[in-house]
Amino acid sequence: AAGVIQSPRHLIKEKRETATLKCYPIPRHDTVYWYQQGPGQDPQFLISFYEKMQSDKGSIPDRFSAQQFSDYHSELNMSSLELGDSALYFCASSGRTKLAGGWEQYFGPGTRLTVT
Amino acid sequence: AQKVTQAQTEISVVEKEDVTLDCVYETRDTTYYLFWYKQPPSGELVFLIRRNSFDEQNEISGRYSWNFQKSTSSFNFTITASQVVDSAVYFCALSLYDYKLSFGAGTTVTVRA
Repeated sequence: AAGVIQSPRHLIKEKRETATLKCYPIPRHDTVYWYQQGPGQDPQFLISFYEKMQSDKGSIPDRFSAQQFSDYHSELNMSSLELGDSALYFCASSGRTKLAGGWEQYFGPGTRLTVT
Repeated sequence: AQKVTQAQTEISVVEKEDVTLDCVYETRDTTYYLFWYKQPPSGELVFLIRRNSFDEQNEISGRYSWNFQKSTSSFNFTITASQVVDSAVYFCALSLYDYKLSFGAGTTVTVRA
């Protein structure tokens, strides 16, 4: 079965540079979520999109922005990178087409961002 | 606000032993969803199970079983006859109507041969 695709898998950037992470959800899934997982920490919710509209926002820095495109893929743009942005960034997707809510989120393999 | 607590930071067992991971949650909402995810050393997050707040049935899937008790706000996870491949970090998570996941701190399980 098709899974969530994230690219790139690894990214090395210098401080103050910008980075763009891409996420391709499972086909027919209409919701995308972004999470950040620092070393030895649990994933923290950043932002989500439902049907191409931002649906919720967590602890996402103002330096970060994201959007969901017409084909449902999403991009997380990170500017003025800081050392503390080094983390594993996960994208997850889910569908809301069934009657019961809270459908499980399937995660992509993650993008490991290293800021030097 | 909701909160998920996994009091066990690390658990180490010998192969074939059973291991139980504790998860306690807090929320004022009456409708919520509980999850378990596995994160092996390779880093990906693997979905294991979802439970709705109105469904307290326990579940068994192979060597995995889950015990959901609303009275104690717990959603514990047991691995029976553990194997080396079970070594991973296990996260318990909670979501409300907004679907975003709030994770516990995770429990690192090490299964020794």
